[in-house]
Amino acid sequence: GAVVSQHPSWVICKSGTSVKIECRSLDFQATTMFWYRQFPKQSLMLMATSNEGSKATYEQGVEKDKFLINHASLTLSTLTVTSAHPEDSSFYICSASPLRDRGQETQYFGPGTRLLVL
Amino acid sequence: GDSVTQMEGPVTLSEEAFLTINCTYTATGYPSLFWYVQYPGEGLQLLLKATKADDKGSNKGFEATYRKETTSFHLEKGSVQVSDSAVYFCALRLSGGYNKLIFGAGTRLAVHP
Repeated sequence: GAVVSQHPSWVICKSGTSVKIECRSLDFQATTMFWYRQFPKQSLMLMATSNEGSKATYEQGVEKDKFLINHASLTLSTLTVTSAHPEDSSFYICSASPLRDRGQETQYFGPGTRLLVL
Repeated sequence: GDSVTQMEGPVTLSEEAFLTINCTYTATGYPSLFWYVQYPGEGLQLLLKATKADDKGSNKGFEATYRKETTSFHLEKGSVQVSDSAVYFCALRLSGGYNKLIFGAGTRLAVHP
């Protein structure tokens, strides 16, 4: 149980286009989903926290107009990288905290999406 | 600021060798400490955790002790297997109601028969 999927696992796009990444909790409901980004040989960095039905909370330095997050249901959150540029190339990972975990202490992670912007 | 530093990989070992992956942290207050493991093609999974000083987390033969005096949480296993090959992430969660996880860069472990 507690599986989180991401789609796509790999995406290559041209500079200036937008890319949508989906994060789904397959066998549980998640009130809170987290989006992370990892550059090569660096730490996973939290980008934003999204709660179902409300606006995402972005970490300092993350452009909310560039990284659009939608958490429309208890099993799906999407991250859209708008007008992507080569510097946005990275590994994007989501995690989900189960509805039953009110303290949000447990996070289940997706396998990640590798984005390459040409 | 709050941060986690772990040893760079890759770490390459023969089966049944002893494993240590170093992790040190900088944080205000009293964080909880975690080790996550990521197998190829899968998401990060919680391996073990410790919530206060001198606590020892353990799972699947892996152990780590929360050392406040040295701000460390080193991961150890007495005898590794090929199936332990993965990327290992050390992380902390701040105290005071924050749910934000702060990760190290990850250490890739390769175990050969």
